[in-house]
Amino acid sequence: SAVISQKPSRDICQRGTSLTIQCQVDSQVTMMFWYRQQPGQSLTLIATANQGSEATYESGFVIDKFPISRPNLTFSTLTVSNMSPEDSSIYLCSATGTGGWMADTQYFGPGTRLTVL
Amino acid sequence: TQLLEQSPQFLSIQEGENLTVYCNSSSVFSSLQWYRQEPGEGPVLLVTVVTGGEVKKLKRLTFQFGDARKDSSLHITAAQPGDTGLYLCAGARSGTASKLTFGTGTRLQVTL
Repeated sequence: SAVISQKPSRDICQRGTSLTIQCQVDSQVTMMFWYRQQPGQSLTLIATANQGSEATYESGFVIDKFPISRPNLTFSTLTVSNMSPEDSSIYLCSATGTGGWMADTQYFGPGTRLTVL
Repeated sequence: TQLLEQSPQFLSIQEGENLTVYCNSSSVFSSLQWYRQEPGEGPVLLVTVVTGGEVKKLKRLTFQFGDARKDSSLHITAAQPGDTGLYLCAGARSGTASKLTFGTGTRLQVTL
């Protein structure tokens, strides 16, 4: 199976600053997604990271707050901008493909635990 | 709005007991997946079910997809401490480009 890594694994940030989270997959994938998860709770989809075009955001999430890049088929970044304590959460990326071992299923990175003071 | 409701939310049992986790929705899904997540890690896929009425077994875990593809269940036989974790169901709809809707989650704790 593929390996999905995220950097940083955790960070503590000051209010008003921005943090960029990186997600790297060790093989080419079709779809990449970004989620937010409060500890012990379920996952909420932030957006779909589209290769070569703007990300598709879910209701309640906007590009100015969560800009996303996906320059190629194996890498994506999520930036949490102008952070406030309410942004403290775990941010997860996932990847899926349409064939072989990744057909129509999502595989997740280990997450980035963000604390905003 | 959470479209997939899981029950129970929390379950604490002793080693050797059996348990069932339910995942219910009013919406139809083309497939449904079950994940287990441990602290500090991302969710790990356990199984994908795609056919109404389908039953899949993974060692001591039995997964069932409802006939109408609106609900699913996960049954664990003779639970072990290693089964402890957050269990999440997730549904995919046709034409949504693999986008998943996650359930509310069930936290399982298995003690000796």
